[in-house]
Formats: sequence, C-alpha cells, structure tokens
Amino acid sequence: DQQVKQNSPSLSVQEGRISILNCDYTNSMFDYFLWYKKYPAEGPTFLISISSIKDKNEDGRFTVFLNKSAKHLSLHIVPSQPGDSAVYFCAASVRNNKFYFGSGTKLNVKP
Amino acid sequence: ETGVTQTPRHLVMGMTNKKSLKCEQHLGHNAMYWYKQSAKKPLELMFVYNFKEQTENNSVPSRFSPECPNSSHLFLHLHTLQPEDSALYLCASSQENSLEQYFGPGTRLTVT
Repeated sequence: DQQVKQNSPSLSVQEGRISILNCDYTNSMFDYFLWYKKYPAEGPTFLISISSIKDKNEDGRFTVFLNKSAKHLSLHIVPSQPGDSAVYFCAASVRNNKFYFGSGTKLNVKP
Repeated sequence: ETGVTQTPRHLVMGMTNKKSLKCEQHLGHNAMYWYKQSAKKPLELMFVYNFKEQTENNSVPSRFSPECPNSSHLFLHLHTLQPEDSALYLCASSQENSLEQYFGPGTRLTVT
C-alpha cells in the first residue's frame, strides 16, 4: 500500500506564476519530509525539506508547507521559471534513512 | 569526479545472464542505498547499507544480490532476472545523521 501519494501526474504553469505541487501521506508517524527534483537522464536532486515540528520552510523561490492534521504537504514555487520544468518527488520518513516516495509530478513551466 | 556515479547507464540483458550494476560515491558518506523505479511508480527502496553493513532488505527477491565492499562502493549483482525487473535502478548515499540522500543518475535496465 502506497504511504505517500502524489495524485497529480502532471502540472502545467505559465512562467512567472506560482506552481503548487501536492503530496498526501497516510502514516502519521512520518516526521521528516523532503522534495526532490529530477531532470531526464539524471538522478533526483534534493530540493527542500521540512520537519514535522514546523509547518513551513522557505528557501528562495521554494516553500514547503506541512499540514499534519490533513497529512498533506505542498511545494510552492514562485515565480516559476522554465528551468523548473522537471519531475518532482515528495518523500517521507520516520526519522531514519528509510524513505517512502511518491510517484512524482511532472511540472512543465511554459515560457 | 564528484557526487554519485553509476555504471553502466544502460543495460540490456537476457533472463539467463548475470550482470552487475556499480555505484560509487565521492562524498565521504557512510550510508548507501539501492532503489528501483518502474514506470509510473514510486521509487522503491531495495537495500540500505550503513557503514558497509546491510541494515535493510525490503523483501527483495534473491535474484538481486547487493554487495558493499567499502563505504564508497555499492554493487547490485543480477542473475536470472524477469522482464518485469526492467526499470531504472538508482543508487544513493547519505551521511550518518543526515536524511538528505544524494542520487546517482541511474542504470536503465531492460530484461529481454
């Protein structure tokens, strides 16, 4: 059973607008969450993380929001740029190095 | 060379072949991982090695056999695979007490 779900396989956004990628999880014991970005023919690269003691973490154009009661996290990219076009994976763990990944959302930022 | 490297990048093998995937990390990390990514599915953790010791085997069939001779190198030995084993195999590494994993580019495996 999939413990981390990304229900939108793809998202298309105009350059300069906000991109919102969503992720839901089922295990309330998860206490650490990450977002990875993957370009074709490359491995995923770490983007941003958040601990369950926080509800928001910001790094430049990227902000991750965590809603523990809803078991939901989201990644906001603003403003979106064409170079942000990639597949985005969310991942969750119970403070160890065993991570559960979502199936990814392909973001296309149109110039 | 820096980061996490994987060889080969592409591999086609028959069901009776034996092959090995190699991963090397140049980051001084002490944990290494194998993941499998099938089409339109999440990354699935296969194996975890901490300080060269296997600490996780996520119910992986025995036709996949990992080997970690030192904390910089990780192998995945393959034998008598099935067509459904065709996937992207990703290696990752991390530092102890850090939850950020660094991934290699992956090996695209096709079993015919």
